[in-house]
Amino acid sequence: QLQLQESGPGLVKPSETLSLTCTVSGGSISTSTNYWGWIRQPPGKGLEWIGSIYDKESTYYNPSLKSRVTISVDTSKNQCSLKLSSVTAADAAVYYCARRVAVGAPRYFDYWGQGTLVTVSS
Amino acid sequence: EIVMTQSPATLSLSPGERATLSCRASQSVSNYLAWYQQKHGQAPRLLIYDASNRAPGIPARFSGSGSGTDFTLTISSLEPEDFAVYYCQQRSNWPLTFGGGTKVEIK
Repeated sequence: QLQLQESGPGLVKPSETLSLTCTVSGGSISTSTNYWGWIRQPPGKGLEWIGSIYDKESTYYNPSLKSRVTISVDTSKNQCSLKLSSVTAADAAVYYCARRVAVGAPRYFDYWGQGTLVTVSS
Repeated sequence: EIVMTQSPATLSLSPGERATLSCRASQSVSNYLAWYQQKHGQAPRLLIYDASNRAPGIPARFSGSGSGTDFTLTISSLEPEDFAVYYCQQRSNWPLTFGGGTKVEIK
């Protein structure tokens, strides 16, 4: 059974860089048939796709965040990472990592981490 | 960017009743649409993919329909555990986009 677990600081100062890690267990992050994505949800609000990485190198970002986002994969640790620079209060949210298959079905986010709450405050 | 609009924002129903949720895309997404259920404090769960296919383990009372720009999620008879927020999401075009959600609450 695939499991995803987000980790990282729960508090980030304004203008600094938010860094989160998603550790995958029960499967290999190197599998070329999967996208690994990040989605966020501000408190009391809806879901926003941040970006995804495919086959370790191909990245896709939300244009609204593209200038500040970097998603990468560390195959040696079976982890996917998210970096969001120059954060403001608007970046406070629960951040989820999720798997989306690229081949076959369903090509949607079928495995999710539990989410991690990030607060932005000085 | 394809904008996904869900209606109504809130649906107040009793257990046993039928729920009908709508999702409209700002342009055609073919059948590349999914529905998710999210309970308080939990990650979303995939219910329906490609408009009408139930994800593994999803009860038959959940069904999806539609294509192009208009989609519907139907819960045939609400169980107590179905009261939650539901989101639609398209994968037709980057960026992937979600609707704003419909909350199904107990009347």
